[in-house]
Amino acid sequence: NAGVMQNPRHLVRRRGQEARLRCSPMKGHSHVYWYRQLPEEGLKFMVYLQKENIIDESGMPKERFSAEFPKEGPSILRIQQVVRGDSAAYFCASSPQGAFYEQYFGPGTRLTVT
Amino acid sequence: AQTVTQSQPEMSVQEAETVTLSCTYDTSESDYYLFWYKQPPSRQMILVIRQEAYKQQNATENRFSVNFQKAAKSFSLKISDSQLGDAAMYFCAYRSTNTGGTSYGKLTFGQGTILTVHP
Repeated sequence: NAGVMQNPRHLVRRRGQEARLRCSPMKGHSHVYWYRQLPEEGLKFMVYLQKENIIDESGMPKERFSAEFPKEGPSILRIQQVVRGDSAAYFCASSPQGAFYEQYFGPGTRLTVT
Repeated sequence: AQTVTQSQPEMSVQEAETVTLSCTYDTSESDYYLFWYKQPPSRQMILVIRQEAYKQQNATENRFSVNFQKAAKSFSLKISDSQLGDAAMYFCAYRSTNTGGTSYGKLTFGQGTILTVHP
């Protein structure tokens, strides 16, 4: 059973461009969580999604950030008009059902904004 | 809102010795989960150990064990017989079990402790 997949592993964007980060959960997992890790800091929750639903987006910045988890395909975290402060590692985790189950983390995507 | 605090930015230990990493948290809930995650240089988050708040017995996983003090809201990680492969950043994390709460589902992490293991 393959683990949580994230791609790309490294992404470089210039200020003002868009960044799209993809997360394929483990097989059978229908819940996805996105976290952001700024340099020298812990992970901060961004958003919790179920297939076709956003359960909790309390950690998402109000502007420029959006997330989706369609019925088919990977979950996407989209950052529009990136700024230097968006440079971070973005981690995706998945769980089989609800939040009572273990979250399994992907390897992360390191976004660098130049 | 729940908070998790790791007061030791860095710790070091000699190979084969024992080290304890500290974690305190703040919550008004009575039932929750606590975790320790390891993040090696590869950045992959690896679950080390989990504790359920309603269980009084401290969790143990091989060389890793916790000291869970619910009243004091303390959750320390003890690593016995430290190995070079234990060198990593360690994060303490909290997760609510309250399905009606605003923090349901998400993990709240501490700032992390960098552990160095000396040969």
